Amino acid sequence: EVQLVESGGGLVQPGGSLRLSCAASGFTFSSYEMNWVRQAPGKGLEWVSYISSSGSTIYYADSVKGRFTISRDNAKNSLYLQMNSLRAEDTAVYYCARVERDPMGGLGFDYWGQGTLVTVSS
Amino acid sequence: DIQMTQSPSSVSASVGDRVTITCRASQGISSWLAWYQQKPGKAPKLLIYAASSLQSGVPSRFSGSGSGTDFTLTISSLQPEDFATYYCQQANSFPPWTFGQGTKVEIK
Repeated sequence: EVQLVESGGGLVQPGGSLRLSCAASGFTFSSYEMNWVRQAPGKGLEWVSYISSSGSTIYYADSVKGRFTISRDNAKNSLYLQMNSLRAEDTAVYYCARVERDPMGGLGFDYWGQGTLVTVSS
Repeated sequence: DIQMTQSPSSVSASVGDRVTITCRASQGISSWLAWYQQKPGKAPKLLIYAASSLQSGVPSRFSGSGSGTDFTLTISSLQPEDFATYYCQQANSFPPWTFGQGTKVEIK
């Protein structure tokens, strides 16, 4: 069974840092592209960051560029998001999500973790 | 960036009703569109990818159509478990992958 389990969320002051983790199991983690997606309270979904299966290609949303760093450890089946210089507007539930690409074309985020809440407040 | 606009923002419907949700892209995205369902306090669930391909395990009452800029998600006969918020996502051009603002399907 595919499982993604996030951890590391919590309450942090503005300007502070947090490191989120996503532990993957039930599939060959090293073969899949991964993302972080967040959802502010009562709001919609916002893509945050992407990392290729090898870790060689990385993208960020403009809203987090220069402050957040995505990484992965394929030996440990884990995805990470280092979040620095946190702002109130970063308050959200953060999900890790796996990319599934269909051989005939098409793409979707087929498995998601349960999410971890990050609250940035003084 | 490609903007995704869903309509309506919310819809009230009864069990058994046919429900249609529309998603419009700010520029053509071919068939690179996915639909997700999200229930309160839960992670999103992939329903449809490539605009019309049903994800494994998703009931056949869900269907998707469209290409280019205009897409629809249809629930042919609404069931109690379908009351949720639905999001479209463009997968044609990234970064960024962008989502629509969501459509909440509520009980009439």
